[in-house]
Amino acid sequence: EVQLVESGGGLVQPGGSLRLSCVASGFTFSSYSMNWVRQTPGKGLEWLSYISSSGSTIYYADSVKGRFTISRDSARNSVYLQLNSLRADDTAVYFCARDSFPLQYWGQGTLVTVSS
Amino acid sequence: EIVLTQSPGTLSLSPGERATLSCRASQSVSRTYLAWYQQKPGQAPRLLIYGTSSRATGIPDRFSGSGSGTDLTLGTDFTLTISRLEPEDFAVYYCQHSRTFGPGTRLDIK
Repeated sequence: EVQLVESGGGLVQPGGSLRLSCVASGFTFSSYSMNWVRQTPGKGLEWLSYISSSGSTIYYADSVKGRFTISRDSARNSVYLQLNSLRADDTAVYFCARDSFPLQYWGQGTLVTVSS
Repeated sequence: EIVLTQSPGTLSLSPGERATLSCRASQSVSRTYLAWYQQKPGQAPRLLIYGTSSRATGIPDRFSGSGSGTDLTLGTDFTLTISRLEPEDFAVYYCQHSRTFGPGTRLDIK
């Protein structure tokens, strides 16, 4: 069974940083591309970042380019999202999701709250 | 930048009725990269339909997707149809093209 489990969310002050993790199981992690998607009440679902199976190809949404960094570690079956220079409008539930398109498998999400 | 518009914003129907949800793209998009997801409160989105009309694994056949127009590769208007609503179908539905999501349609019990 494919499972994706996110962690690392929490309360952070504006300008702060967080590192989100997503641990995968039930499939050969190194063979699949991964994504991060977030969801806010106001803006709905927003794709943030993509990393290819090898890690050689990376894309970001304009809204997070230069602030967020995606990476992966196949030895740990994990994909990460480093969130820097956080703003109030980054408050959201962050999901990791497998595949390029469509996003067939999703984790349950981790909540990031940016507030002073 | 492609914008997806979903209508209606909220749809109130009864179990057993037919639901028709619309997704319109601001310009022609590839039918290959059009998908639909279902999301229930507190849960992640669940893939229903991909490639405009292919059901994902385990999705009941009461869910179907289509696109209008004669071009088999491109389109602007897409539809998710639920033929006979079951109680578990009441949720929010999102369309997606490539890396863009629509705002969603909430399907409520009437």
